[in-house]
Amino acid sequence: DAKTTQPPSMDCAEGRAANLPCNHSTISGNEYVYWYRQIHSQGPQYIIHGLKNNETNEMASLIITEDRKSSTLILPHATLRDTAVYYCIVRVADTGGFKTIFGAGTRLFVKA
Amino acid sequence: NAGVTQTPKFQVLKTGQSMTLQCAQDMNHEYMSWYRQDPGMGLRLIHYSVGAGITDQGEVPNGYNVSRSTTEDFPLRLLSAAPSQTSVYFCASRRQTYGYTFGSGTRLTVV
Repeated sequence: DAKTTQPPSMDCAEGRAANLPCNHSTISGNEYVYWYRQIHSQGPQYIIHGLKNNETNEMASLIITEDRKSSTLILPHATLRDTAVYYCIVRVADTGGFKTIFGAGTRLFVKA
Repeated sequence: NAGVTQTPKFQVLKTGQSMTLQCAQDMNHEYMSWYRQDPGMGLRLIHYSVGAGITDQGEVPNGYNVSRSTTEDFPLRLLSAAPSQTSVYFCASRRQTYGYTFGSGTRLTVV
């Protein structure tokens, strides 16, 4: 089972910041938090990842709480093209390495 | 770089037929995975590999085989296709702790 909990859907007005929450209360000390998104039926797209520090790239910012039990993905100025399913993933350790399990994600609707 | 290339893009099979979905990456990534996505659902992990010669099962491995003889290629074999295997199949690769790069998918219909 996925180790994260996300709201099933969210709305955001175009041009405003979209803040997508994720709970991962059982995260281990060496597990990273990853965010992907999937637009319609395309292959998922990697957005950002982090261990314990906040991270920022050209797509988004990732804020991880100090206890690492939750995080927030921030799209600073959402556009209609950001409408997608957003997946928060904690990489799960396995005997052969680390496998990436996707949950249900959050369906973000950006509205004009 | 071409990234992750999946072939074919579309395929229709009859029940009981076998086939191989191809996946190739040119980024020298160690890790590769196969996922399936049924209509309106999330992605489920079928098999994954942490390097050439090493594979392991994911969440839904039954009915599928994989091998990893080279770093670049990670084919997925359907042994005897069933209608329940109608899905979109995504292959992905990554390097160490980085995020996955996904292919554009193979849309498979089993009739």
